[in-house]
Amino acid sequence: GDSVTQMEGPVTLSEEACLTINCTYTATGYPSLFWYVQYPGEGLQLLLKATKADDKGSNKGFEATYRKETTSFHLEKGSVQVSDSAVYFCALPNTGNQFYFGTGTSLTVIP
Amino acid sequence: DTGVSQDPRHKITKRGQNVTFRCDPISEHNRLYWYRQTLGQGPEFLTYFQNEAQLEKSRLLSDRFSAERPKGSFSTLEIQRTEQGDSAMYLCASSPPRDRGPGELFFGEGSRLTVL
Repeated sequence: GDSVTQMEGPVTLSEEACLTINCTYTATGYPSLFWYVQYPGEGLQLLLKATKADDKGSNKGFEATYRKETTSFHLEKGSVQVSDSAVYFCALPNTGNQFYFGTGTSLTVIP
Repeated sequence: DTGVSQDPRHKITKRGQNVTFRCDPISEHNRLYWYRQTLGQGPEFLTYFQNEAQLEKSRLLSDRFSAERPKGSFSTLEIQRTEQGDSAMYLCASSPPRDRGPGELFFGEGSRLTVL
């Protein structure tokens, strides 16, 4: 069945370091792909999405490219900030109305 | 700007008691979802409503769980005869009408259940 496999954390980085959080997926067809973020004490919110192969989603300095050949949707940021400390979830919808979420990767950025 | 609201935010109960959670979605959203999240895991789908109709239910949703959305607006999730394994964060999300398939989900902050 459809699923996402996400890089396990936790991840601790110094401010201005580069970030990559890996996400690979298994799906029937070519679904849209999403990254959600959960800041401390808040609900999950959409960070970025890509709707078809080779699309790049971007928001708040984060990017992820939908790569069909490697079935991946890795999240990247060139220079992280303390305010990026959060839990990041990769997600994909099935052909119905469900979303499959990864297990989440906790990121802590230290000054 | 009113987002998805959930009540209560925290509930502590004894094993065997019944609990009910309420979710108020964003007003123009006709799609409503319940998810469950345990520590160190991503959200797991429980059930989905389109307007007042419950269209999908996960196998995770045992007979002790029931969800309603009587007028297509707010929704309730009731757990009867709670067990310690029910301890989790219960998340509600909503999304606007789409031609097909799910779009972006807008989540509430969740209702945390602790069963003693």
